[in-house]
Amino acid sequence: QTVVTQEPSFSVSPGGTVTLTCGLTSGSVSTSHSPSWYQQTPGQAPRTLIYSTNIRSSGVPDRFSGSILGNIAALTITGAQADDESDYYCVLYMGSGLSVFGGGTKLTVL
Amino acid sequence: QITLKESGPTLVKPTQTLTLTCTFSGFSLSSSGVSVGWFRQPPGKALEWLALIYWDGDKRYSPSLKTRLTITRDTSKSQVVLTMTNMDPVDTGTYFCAHRRKISAPNWYDPWGPGTLVTVSS
Repeated sequence: QTVVTQEPSFSVSPGGTVTLTCGLTSGSVSTSHSPSWYQQTPGQAPRTLIYSTNIRSSGVPDRFSGSILGNIAALTITGAQADDESDYYCVLYMGSGLSVFGGGTKLTVL
Repeated sequence: QITLKESGPTLVKPTQTLTLTCTFSGFSLSSSGVSVGWFRQPPGKALEWLALIYWDGDKRYSPSLKTRLTITRDTSKSQVVLTMTNMDPVDTGTYFCAHRRKISAPNWYDPWGPGTLVTVSS
């Protein structure tokens, strides 16, 4: 069974840049996986940041960007702010209507 | 404006069947390209994709839970129902439903309902 991998945790300084990644235990991530990224704070529903690899959802600041880097999907936050401290989840489309979430990355801004 | 809200029991006993309802507004599940998904999140753990129902009634399930899940829709009531059989304490968590925007963006779920916490305990 293919597993979607994410860093369990990451830390960034305020104003800094961080790239969170999303990979597969077997194979490469490509645009056909239509990677999406969600931000979630405790007790809240997920919020869409990026869909279809690199399209920002409405209202998402342009400091968030998505891409494919080699064989992984990536979420880059440029100029991190304190309120970016959240959990970030990627989700990949596996075909036939099925999607799989990664384990999430807990981002600390300090 | 699209909104969704999950409802159902907050406590179920082991081996019981869980039935959750997602009541939505602002879109029709009869419209081509529209679908609604269900997800869950155990306390302190990651999100998990569970099931999806399409505008045409087609359904998809997580392979690991396929034998326990059933997703149905009632377009007249603007509801999607998820049932999960043989509940176990490991199924404890917050269950979410979400609107999937379009087929061409299969992972674009937006918006989400607020979620409903289900505890499995005797």
